[in-house]
Amino acid sequence: EIVMTQSPATLSVSPGETATLSCRASQSVRSNVAWYQQKPGQAPRLLIYGASTRATGIPARFSGSESGTEFTLTISSLQSEDFAVYYCQQYNNWPPSTFGGGTKVEFK
Amino acid sequence: EVQLVQSGVEVKKPGESLKISCKGSGYSFSVKWIGWVRQMPGKGLEWMGVIYPGDSDTRYSPSFQGQVTISADKSTSTAYLQWSSLKASDTAIYYCASTVKTGTTAFDIWGQGTMVTVSS
Repeated sequence: EIVMTQSPATLSVSPGETATLSCRASQSVRSNVAWYQQKPGQAPRLLIYGASTRATGIPARFSGSESGTEFTLTISSLQSEDFAVYYCQQYNNWPPSTFGGGTKVEFK
Repeated sequence: EVQLVQSGVEVKKPGESLKISCKGSGYSFSVKWIGWVRQMPGKGLEWMGVIYPGDSDTRYSPSFQGQVTISADKSTSTAYLQWSSLKASDTAIYYCASTVKTGTTAFDIWGQGTMVTVSS
């Protein structure tokens, strides 16, 4: 089973700043990584798939990148509605597909 | 509109059986993988398994194999998650999710979640 390790667990950011979230895969998952946003009481929402492709309707301030087994979600010019928990997921080797433990982006 | 609508809140006792549902609409249900994700209270997301409704090909996470049954009825565009004997540790929110638009197996459409509480 591939382990996805997210860091940091909590990120304190002020509105307007840039948030950088990391996710490391325990082995190669090629570019088959997705990022999701989850707000309290809501279902997750797909932000990024294929490591860097924004899903339909996702603002351009969300971007994804990769370097080997390291994946990054960058949120530029953070807005109030971006404070949430973010999860990465690998869907290269399944079953099982696996999620990271999550990064909570909170107000600084 | 593409959507998944899940069945409502469940409160059960340990040892009871349960089947929750997820109805898809607005897309070709039979030809898209649909899966289930568990979220225990205050915890992260866990991938349980998926089914391809067109031929009922089902894949489980080893962590959930033998603990639950995933099924689908393509005639009603509905997927199901079933337990034969619930435990208190099954208390969680269960989301169904599908891979509709991206051409990958990332979940781009999610149901609203079904909260299951198991308590004596």
